[in-house]
Amino acid sequence: EDKVVQSPLSLVVHEGDTVTLNCSYEVTNFRSLLWYKQEKKAPTFLFMLTSSGIEKKSGRLSSILDKKELFSILNITATQTGDSAIYLCAVGRDNDMRFGAGTRLTVKP
Amino acid sequence: NAGVTQTPKFQVLKTGQSMTLQCAQDMNHEYMSWYRQDPGMGLRLIHYSVGAGITDQGEVPNGYNVSRSTTEDFPLRLLSAAPSQTSVYFCASSPGQAPYEQYFGPGTRLTVT
Repeated sequence: EDKVVQSPLSLVVHEGDTVTLNCSYEVTNFRSLLWYKQEKKAPTFLFMLTSSGIEKKSGRLSSILDKKELFSILNITATQTGDSAIYLCAVGRDNDMRFGAGTRLTVKP
Repeated sequence: NAGVTQTPKFQVLKTGQSMTLQCAQDMNHEYMSWYRQDPGMGLRLIHYSVGAGITDQGEVPNGYNVSRSTTEDFPLRLLSAAPSQTSVYFCASSPGQAPYEQYFGPGTRLTVT
């Protein structure tokens, strides 16, 4: 059965800390791995990864994919309270997408 | 552009009632989808469409119907509401015929009593 597993499920850090969120997957017909950020309402897109070993960066966020070991990580450096959110990992297949349960990140001042 | 819009924002139904959740997008996106989000379970795909006139089932389709008569609209129908359908429902769209960089609507919080 296809599955996407995120860890940890929740994380509490202080401003300035660096965090690493994990996503492992076992999915047929893999096409891409995506990260979304969900604050109070709708998820918003962060990254899409299709090739192993190529880091994607946006400001303090970065992500990388390992297609051999079937996992991805999302790093956030110098965390801020505005980074508090649920981070969702999803695997895109031909026509659909499977999401993990998410990691709830809380950044305390 | 309004992006992806959903109505209503909140809805309370009694068991057995039917209703339609509306979703529209003004970005001329081919791909549209419906998800439900329950605590601790992430987003689960209900139905999706790769273009007008084409729909298919996702991971959890039972109890729901969809249709796609235009590129812009993708309504989700609950046929006979059950308490297990209490959830937050998100509609999403993406360019092309694949679900990759999806744009999500603001969600509908549905409670079935």
